[in-house]
Amino acid sequence: AAGVIQSPRHLIKEKRETATLKCYPIPRHDTVYWYQQGPGQDPQFLISFYEKMQSDKGSIPDRFSAQQFSDYHSELNMSSLELGDSALYFCASSFTGTGRSEQYFGPGTRLTVT
Amino acid sequence: AQSVTQLGSHVSVSEGALVLLRCNYSSSVPPYLFWYVQYPNQGLQLLLKYTSAATLVKGINGFEAEFKKSETSFHLTKPSAHMSDAAEYFCAVQGGSEKLVFGKGTKLTVNP
Repeated sequence: AAGVIQSPRHLIKEKRETATLKCYPIPRHDTVYWYQQGPGQDPQFLISFYEKMQSDKGSIPDRFSAQQFSDYHSELNMSSLELGDSALYFCASSFTGTGRSEQYFGPGTRLTVT
Repeated sequence: AQSVTQLGSHVSVSEGALVLLRCNYSSSVPPYLFWYVQYPNQGLQLLLKYTSAATLVKGINGFEAEFKKSETSFHLTKPSAHMSDAAEYFCAVQGGSEKLVFGKGTKLTVNP
């Protein structure tokens, strides 16, 4: 079965640079979520999109922005990178339809900021 | 608002012993509850989920969890630990909104 695809899997950037993370949801899933997991931390919700519209927002820094495109893939753009942005970034997708549903997680993108 | 408390950031058991990982939740609406496992440098794998059907939920790899509303708990158990169970385990709650709220995680060590 198709899974959530994230690219790149690993990314190394320097402080103040910009990074773009991509997420390709499972086909026919209508909702995408982004989570950030710092070293030794639990995953924290950043933002979600339902049918290409932002549906919920968590503790996402103003330096970060995200969107969902017409083909349902999503991109997380991160600017003015800081050392503290080093983390594992997960994307998850679900078919929300009319109610809560299980989220399927991608393998994550490990971002290292030096 | 939803929250999850996992009691014990580290749990150590012997191979073949019972595994018990504790999770208590708080939710203003009937919750959906999940247990995920994460192996080092890997993603999150769903072990099992509770979505208001049977209160005893069976998952993969021999794990199960019981939803107890009166105790606001959703503890994860496995009768006999295997070395391959060594990993970090996260309990998560999904309330009215779709986002998942995770606990701090419990790192399980299995000793030979």
